[in-house]
Amino acid sequence: KNEVEQSPQNLTAQEGEFITINCSYSVGISALHWLQQHPGGGIVSLFMLSSGKKKHGRLIATINIQEKHSSLHITASHPRDSAVYICAVRPSGSARQLTFGSGTQLTVLP
Amino acid sequence: EAQVTQNPRYLITVTGKKLTVTCSQNMNHEYMSWYRQDPGLGLRQIYYSMNVEVTDKGDVPEGYKVSRKEKRNFPLILESPSPNQTSLYFCASTPRGTNYGYTFGSGTRLTVV
Repeated sequence: KNEVEQSPQNLTAQEGEFITINCSYSVGISALHWLQQHPGGGIVSLFMLSSGKKKHGRLIATINIQEKHSSLHITASHPRDSAVYICAVRPSGSARQLTFGSGTQLTVLP
Repeated sequence: EAQVTQNPRYLITVTGKKLTVTCSQNMNHEYMSWYRQDPGLGLRQIYYSMNVEVTDKGDVPEGYKVSRKEKRNFPLILESPSPNQTSLYFCASTPRGTNYGYTFGSGTRLTVV
């Protein structure tokens, strides 16, 4: 079993829909990251969470440390949000190592 | 502009021919790391460096070497590349401390034939 599980693997939505991507992990962590990878391949860091909730524009990320679960929400989705979204965790006590989920391919149709 | 610069973006090489992928950051970050991304396997860490002259293995270090002689540079060296090292490679950096995200390079697509 992977240490980091994402769901769904693939998600297709209509423009304007509210989107949720989930990430569950099985180890104690000191931080969780949400990354975005566009079709061109580049990776952008969206959020770093150690507790609670963060918001940036239409993106909201939450984490529940007790339940070992995080969600990434996109409000009023747009075709430009189409990308792969990757969850990554930094296990407690690790020297900056990251363990990655397999990613969620999001397609937003106009 | 704050960035991580990787070169080259694309490289096709032959088995056994030594190559180096360069990575440079202009943000004075202490931590740098290398990852490879393969279909079905996702991103996996190859090596990381906590600071100058401090490097350590990640999850898949076999067949790779790194060095950190200067804070800004963290090259990835393949002494004798093999076809199973065909992959998409990313370099990333982040400051010391736990409250920061990572800045990734644009990626290097390597094909070993």
